[in-house]
Amino acid sequence: AAGVIQSPRHLIKEKRETATLKCYPIPRHDTVYWYQQGPGQDPQFLISFYEKMQSDKGSIPDRFSAQQFSDYHSELNMSSLELGDSALYFCASSRWDRRYQETQYFGPGTRLLVL
Amino acid sequence: AQKVTQAQTEISVVEKEDVTLDCVYETRDTTYYLFWYKQPPSGELVFLIRRNSFDEQNEISGRYSWNFQKSTSSFNFTITASQVVDSAVYFCALSEAPEYKLSFGAGTTVTVRA
Repeated sequence: AAGVIQSPRHLIKEKRETATLKCYPIPRHDTVYWYQQGPGQDPQFLISFYEKMQSDKGSIPDRFSAQQFSDYHSELNMSSLELGDSALYFCASSRWDRRYQETQYFGPGTRLLVL
Repeated sequence: AQKVTQAQTEISVVEKEDVTLDCVYETRDTTYYLFWYKQPPSGELVFLIRRNSFDEQNEISGRYSWNFQKSTSSFNFTITASQVVDSAVYFCALSEAPEYKLSFGAGTTVTVRA
């Protein structure tokens, strides 16, 4: 079965640079979630999209922005990178149903290292 | 405030032993969802099981079983006859309406020794 695709898998950037992470959800999934996982920590919710509209926002820095496109893929844009942004970034997708929570399936993650 | 608490930081067992992971959650919603995810050393997050708040039936799926107790807000997970490949970090997660974002516990590192 098709899974969530994330690219790139690894990314090395310098401080103050920008980075763009991409996420391709499972086919027919209309909802995308972004999570950040620091070393030795649990994943923290950043932002989510349903049908190309932002549906929820967590503790996402103002330096980060994201969007979902017409083909349902999503991109997380990170500017003015800081050392503390080094983390594993996960994208998850699901089908949204107002009456029922569908399971979120995660991509393999993008490991970002900021030097 | 942490909505999901996994009191066990690390568990180490010998192969074929059973492993039970504890999870306590906090929510005011009457409808909510609970999940267990596995994160092996390779880093990906793998969905294992889910439980809806309106269904308290406990089930077994292969070597996995879970015990959902609404009265104590607990959602414990058991791996029967553990194997070395079960070595991973296990996360319990809570999801609430309407946006359904996941709130994770701190994770429990399970090490299964041959």
